[in-house]
Amino acid sequence: AQSVTQLDSHVSVSEGTPVLLRCNYSSSYSPSLFWYVQHPNKGLQLLLKYTSAATLVKGINGFEAEFKKSETSFHLTKPSAHMSDAAEYFCVVSVPGPLIQGAQKLVFGQGTRLTINP
Amino acid sequence: DGGITQSPKYLFRKEGQNVTLSCEQNLNHDAMYWYRQDPGQGLRLIYYSQIVNDFQKGDIAEGYSVSREKKESFPLTVTSAQKNPTAFYLCASTTGAALRTNYGYTFGSGTRLTVV
Repeated sequence: AQSVTQLDSHVSVSEGTPVLLRCNYSSSYSPSLFWYVQHPNKGLQLLLKYTSAATLVKGINGFEAEFKKSETSFHLTKPSAHMSDAAEYFCVVSVPGPLIQGAQKLVFGQGTRLTINP
Repeated sequence: DGGITQSPKYLFRKEGQNVTLSCEQNLNHDAMYWYRQDPGQGLRLIYYSQIVNDFQKGDIAEGYSVSREKKESFPLTVTSAQKNPTAFYLCASTTGAALRTNYGYTFGSGTRLTVV
């Protein structure tokens, strides 16, 4: 079965310092992996996506993630945190659906709340 | 502009009442999804539909019902059988083509349901 584990429920960093949000996955397929961000009482916004192309994926707002098959990890990083990065972050793996090829369902990690200190 | 519209943004329900949450998309997406979000638990899949007039149960379907009579609409009914309905509900949509690009899934802005 496919699953995602986000290793930290809360991460706190100072503005201007690096961000690391950790994610491990379990999948019997070659996975598609995503990182989404959610600001309070808002929907989810796609940060980046891995689909078996380059293992280092660059996303929006300076975020990037590296797919490491040997470690079954897909950690999210950013070199320098900004106050606007404070939000909830979700690591997600996609699971093939039963009917239409390519239309899948998502399995979410528990989320990591990122706090930025001035 | 294309997107997903969820309404209402906030909804209050008395115990024992059924309520229906609306989800409409004008993206021409085939697949639509309902997720429930509780603090510290991420998002859990309630129901999903990959074509009109067909839908499948997700991981926590008990106490919920859906319909998919039109491609653009996927309403969720929270029934009185759902014992703990207070949560944030998110609707999403996608297509196979979207998954093969960086576009991925589109999410609505959510409905916060509170039982009073």
